[in-house]
Amino acid sequence: QKEVEQNSGPLSVPEGAIASLNCTYSDRGSQSFFWYRQYSGKSPELIMFIYSNGDKEDGRFTAQLNKASQYVSLLIRDSQPSDSATYLCAVNHQGGADGLTFGKGTHLIIQP
Amino acid sequence: GAVVSQHPSWVICKSGTSVKIECRSLDFQATTMFWYRQFPKQSLMLMATSNEGSKATYEQGVEKDKFLINHASLTLSTLTVTSAHPEDSSFYICSVSQGARYGYTFGSGTRLTVV
Repeated sequence: QKEVEQNSGPLSVPEGAIASLNCTYSDRGSQSFFWYRQYSGKSPELIMFIYSNGDKEDGRFTAQLNKASQYVSLLIRDSQPSDSATYLCAVNHQGGADGLTFGKGTHLIIQP
Repeated sequence: GAVVSQHPSWVICKSGTSVKIECRSLDFQATTMFWYRQFPKQSLMLMATSNEGSKATYEQGVEKDKFLINHASLTLSTLTVTSAHPEDSSFYICSVSQGARYGYTFGSGTRLTVV
């Protein structure tokens, strides 16, 4: 069974600090990895995705992928109260032809 | 990413009735769309893959006769919850992919409450 694991939190981080979110996955054949942000009662919003080992940066966000360890992470620099949300890690297995397998999400709280 | 429109945003129906949810890809011809369900405090679970012009593919444990999916055009997929019961109350979300390296875009979701 293909699984995606995340610590549910809550993860509390002071405003301006770096928030670090982690995710592990079970299927070594997984191809692409996604981070979504979901506010309560809303649908997920794509933050970024990564498919090659290493780091990928987009503004305040950095995704890190280590396929050997089956580990994905998301760093949020200069955390803002508006970053408070649930962050969902998702994995794709067939290059877009199939849907995503989601983790349960990490609830992030940025403390002003 | 693609622009995805989903409606209604919320619906309340009586137990035993059917509800149709529409998902439209406004700027991308989607041969494939995905339907997810999210119960409170839980993550999104893929229900089915909607394929234009052919039958949908359902995930294990999802009743295909209860959750009818129609993907008659490249821009529209519908999910009909038939004979809805209170346990079907959930947040239903559709998604479009332009390829794994372009991400998956989600509709705004439909909150279904069956009373």
